[in-house]
Amino acid sequence: LAKTTQPISMDSYEGQEVNITCSHNNIATNDYITWYQQFPSQGPRFIIQGYKTKVTNEVASLFIPADRKSSTLSLPRVSLSDTAVYYCLVGAGEYGNKLVFGAGTILRVKS
Amino acid sequence: DAMVIQNPRYQVTQFGKPVTLSCSQTLNHNVMYWYQQKSSQAPKLLFHYYDKDFNNEADTPDNFQSRRPNTSFCFLDIRSPGLGDAAMYLCATRASGESSYEQYFGPGTRLTVT
Repeated sequence: LAKTTQPISMDSYEGQEVNITCSHNNIATNDYITWYQQFPSQGPRFIIQGYKTKVTNEVASLFIPADRKSSTLSLPRVSLSDTAVYYCLVGAGEYGNKLVFGAGTILRVKS
Repeated sequence: DAMVIQNPRYQVTQFGKPVTLSCSQTLNHNVMYWYQQKSSQAPKLLFHYYDKDFNNEADTPDNFQSRRPNTSFCFLDIRSPGLGDAAMYLCATRASGESSYEQYFGPGTRLTVT
């Protein structure tokens, strides 16, 4: 399974766009990239998934360059309630049923 | 609403006293997972079921066992809890065969070992 590297923490202010980058240099051809959000004392919650280029949903965008060795989660106009831990996961293929969580990024949104 | 339910939300057990955590789902997903999450750490996969097929992670201690009597229910048994087993235990489900790899997590059971 591909190992992921993310910044340990990031600070932002309300209303700003936040970009969290994840490195996954040994991503396999059939691996997907998935991001989860976790609030304290809750289970992680799926945010977005992508394979290549750009994916957008109602809460975030995911940018994946052509070499797929990294990905960037973009949160538009964050609010205080976006303060959470964000995890980048890479997996699929023969391990499609198994995803390994990396260390995650603690995002702190300030007013 | 379809969901993943974990009971109890908080569990206190004594050192060495067997404990069972339960998970149920109304999503009819065929894959179920158990994760252990210690304070300020990422969730760590213990094992998962693909239908009835059990898949254990290589570094999961033998002290941890699991049962899945049917699609809806899955249990985590800790045979002799140690102080180091105090953690949040997360259950998750997923529908295999779909293009999305989204896992649906329950709220977790926080285990305290005294």
